[in-house]
Amino acid sequence: GAGVSQSPSNKVTEKGKDVELRCDPISGHTALYWYRQSLGQGLEFLIYFQGNSAPDKSGLPSDRFSAERTGGSVSTLTIQRTQQEDSAVYLCASSPGREGSEAFFGQGTRLTVV
Amino acid sequence: ELKVEQNPLFLSMQEGKNYTIYCNYSTTSDRLYWYRQDPGKSLESLFVLLSNGAVKQEGRLMASLDTKARLSTLHITAAVHDLSATYFCAVNTMEYGNKLVFGAGTILRVKS
Repeated sequence: GAGVSQSPSNKVTEKGKDVELRCDPISGHTALYWYRQSLGQGLEFLIYFQGNSAPDKSGLPSDRFSAERTGGSVSTLTIQRTQQEDSAVYLCASSPGREGSEAFFGQGTRLTVV
Repeated sequence: ELKVEQNPLFLSMQEGKNYTIYCNYSTTSDRLYWYRQDPGKSLESLFVLLSNGAVKQEGRLMASLDTKARLSTLHITAAVHDLSATYFCAVNTMEYGNKLVFGAGTILRVKS
């Protein structure tokens, strides 16, 4: 596709359930980011993948959060045993990974934990 | 740790007025990015600044970069209501693995 694609666009889940959020980056982009944005707040960095390097997981808020990037392309963010405070918009972005290249954002997944 | 600070965090201005948003960052970098976010939407890239003294303009917005001062500015000229949005700056550097680090964002409201 032409841009970064995220699915689902909206997800409502019950507290305690696991959820998986998917990100399809722009073809050929080696860098992929996950951010979280709570209502009216800024961007909270979660995780960063760059090529074959070990991902930077320093932003993951707890061990309930994990992410994978298969084949250097699609990424899945998994939240286990969801809590109400996990409710937010989860944004994915990708970039070519070259020095000075900007990141392009998907439309986000709005997660609501009830 | 790479830190990026924006100010002001909230800006309310009248149509037709000029104002500047500031973005300071904590380490050497010559790569700075400005994004716009409309309510309920994702982030849209506005400007990419890649060298000291770089200046880019699009309509009523002009961005500049001073790498020695570790400062970028986003200048708004003769604001119009359509510019109401949240503006983020972001920086990356190889020192921190090329990871994009964002400022907290500036909420701009232009009053008719």
